[in-house]
Amino acid sequence: DVKVTQSSRYLVKRTGEKVFLECVQDMDHENMFWYRQDPGLGLRLIYFSYDVKMKEKGDIPEGYSVSREKKERFSLILESASTNQTSMYLCASSLSTVNYGYTFGSGTRLTVV
Amino acid sequence: DQQVKQNSPSLSVQEGRISILNCDYTNSMFDYFLWYKKYPAEGPTFLISISSIKDKNEDGRFTVFLNKSAKHLSLHIVPSQPGDSAVYFCAASGMSNTGKLIFGQGTTLQVKP
Repeated sequence: DVKVTQSSRYLVKRTGEKVFLECVQDMDHENMFWYRQDPGLGLRLIYFSYDVKMKEKGDIPEGYSVSREKKERFSLILESASTNQTSMYLCASSLSTVNYGYTFGSGTRLTVV
Repeated sequence: DQQVKQNSPSLSVQEGRISILNCDYTNSMFDYFLWYKKYPAEGPTFLISISSIKDKNEDGRFTVFLNKSAKHLSLHIVPSQPGDSAVYFCAASGMSNTGKLIFGQGTTLQVKP
């Protein structure tokens, strides 16, 4: 069965810390995505990647960066965490054609204090 | 600019009755639409999809209808069950947005026993 694994379910970090969120998929998917989910705002795309070492900005990239050194791993980095980055972070992967939809991880609930 | 809109934040339905969740989109280049279901503390899971060449797709208790002229789609759940209580997201994709999924804000469905 297809799997997307996010390394942490819950994280609490302090303002100003550098935060790493890790995501691994075992499906050999080309595409990987990072979204955040906030009440009333739905799922908003932060960054995505169509290939190793390739990245593109989504709708809300400010304050974030990403790394994709291997096909199966896509990392989201909060350079200096702020309280407005408290959110549910969701990683997803897909084949090159999105018509098969995404497979999501279980999410990481990040709280920045 | 919200390209995919779910204007009802919440919906409450009695068990056994029909649930109808609505979604509107603005981009006429979208050609594939999906519905995802999300339970708290879990990632979204794929529910059902429809291509723009169709106006209806059915899978068990779930049916999605697409009205291209109105740029509107709806998800019907019949009969509704308490286990259907979740947040439902509609999503759209097309050649113009290079395979990314654009999500709506979500509708929280509560099915009362």
